[in-house]
Amino acid sequence: EAQVTQNPRYLITVTGKKLTVTCSQNMNHEYMSWYRQDPGLGLRQIYYSMNVEVTDKGDVPEGYKVSRKEKRNFPLILESPSPNQTSLYFCASTEGTVNSPLHFGNGTRLTVT
Amino acid sequence: QQPVQSPQAVILREGEDAVINCSSSKALYSVHWYRQKHGEAPVFLMILLKGGEQKGHEKISASFNEKKQQSSLYLTASQLSYSGTYFCGTEIGYGGSQGNLIFGKGTKLSVKP
Repeated sequence: EAQVTQNPRYLITVTGKKLTVTCSQNMNHEYMSWYRQDPGLGLRQIYYSMNVEVTDKGDVPEGYKVSRKEKRNFPLILESPSPNQTSLYFCASTEGTVNSPLHFGNGTRLTVT
Repeated sequence: QQPVQSPQAVILREGEDAVINCSSSKALYSVHWYRQKHGEAPVFLMILLKGGEQKGHEKISASFNEKKQQSSLYLTASQLSYSGTYFCGTEIGYGGSQGNLIFGKGTKLSVKP
């Protein structure tokens, strides 16, 4: 089944403890991105990747890192999480051709205390 | 750069119609529409490309006015299942799709019996 898999679904952590949210897609998509969703603010793009080793900052990249060493994987790294990074995170991928939609993962709800 | 959606929220009775608008200050290549149920991943509805075409999906259709950089989503004879938050995602018109979407803040639609 074609899908985007995020792990974990829920994560509670403490300020400053490094964490990684994994994202993997099995559709051979070139384009992947990370969004965070907060009430009233919609989906805000954190990082975007056009291909292996090619990444670009989105609208809210501060406090986050990403890597794209393989086409299928696009992990989101929080080196030193802070409470303002408490949010619902979505990974998405797309083929990037005309009429190609974004395929979203199921989301990761992160709480930083 | 984030597109502006209006209204922010709307309450309908079953069978009523609604229009959700999405406006951008940038020249757009495409507009995507997604619906999200609470706590779930956004679900793709449709894509509109520049050229002013109108698309339909069951009783949900949309248009794209390239001159105004505006898209509208039309929901007719609404059903309870239409409840959720609707997001438009815009792709800036640099000549091709790259799956780099910027989303609006969303419109919360509630359909009552």
